[in-house]
Amino acid sequence: DADVTQTPRNRITKTGKRIMLECSQTKGHDRMYWYRQDPGLGLQLIYYSFDVKDINKGEISDGYSVSRQAQAKFSLSLESAIPNQTALYFCATSDSTRGQVGQEQFFGPGTRLTVL
Amino acid sequence: AQSVTQPDIHITVSEGASLELRCNYSYGATPYLFWYVQSPGQGLQLLLKYFSGDTLVQGIKGFEAEFKRSQSSFNLRKPSVHWSDAAEYFCAVGVRVGSSNTGKLIFGQGTTLQVKP
Repeated sequence: DADVTQTPRNRITKTGKRIMLECSQTKGHDRMYWYRQDPGLGLQLIYYSFDVKDINKGEISDGYSVSRQAQAKFSLSLESAIPNQTALYFCATSDSTRGQVGQEQFFGPGTRLTVL
Repeated sequence: AQSVTQPDIHITVSEGASLELRCNYSYGATPYLFWYVQSPGQGLQLLLKYFSGDTLVQGIKGFEAEFKRSQSSFNLRKPSVHWSDAAEYFCAVGVRVGSSNTGKLIFGQGTTLQVKP
């Protein structure tokens, strides 16, 4: 089984709808991240969480919110989806016990979201 | 400002030829550098990383990268490319968050590698 899973893998929705993307991990890592990927822009950080009680905004958090329900679960919500949120979304995890800045991150398979 | 630049958006090489993908970073402190690969329909997989020590690092799938502080570069190389290497490649730098010993990654725009038979 995959260590980092994302559901759904694909989603088509309409403008104005609320959407939740879910991420679960079995790696036992304390840190979790949400990125979006757009062609030619690489990966941009939306939100990150260093533990259940610590959630931080990334570079492009407007229009998004997150919830860290447990150490293993980190959900991303689009409260009112708009077409320019059409993108590939990745969840990632890392392990703080190594005590290093910029630890290696482990990525899920991605969720392709289309907002019509 | 912290940033990563991959100057080549798209590269095409023949199978068996050598490969070099460029990466330049901007970060005021000691950089932690990564190369990830994304195959079509897949998530990102770590190829290699540099934290300290030997500036030439070896990774999986026959890749290596060289850290050059004077040039702020971390270029990825492979002596002989295989068709299965066709993918998108991302360079990233780990940066400190605030004053804590924690960090996040900043990614470059990515380079798409096409391999000709």
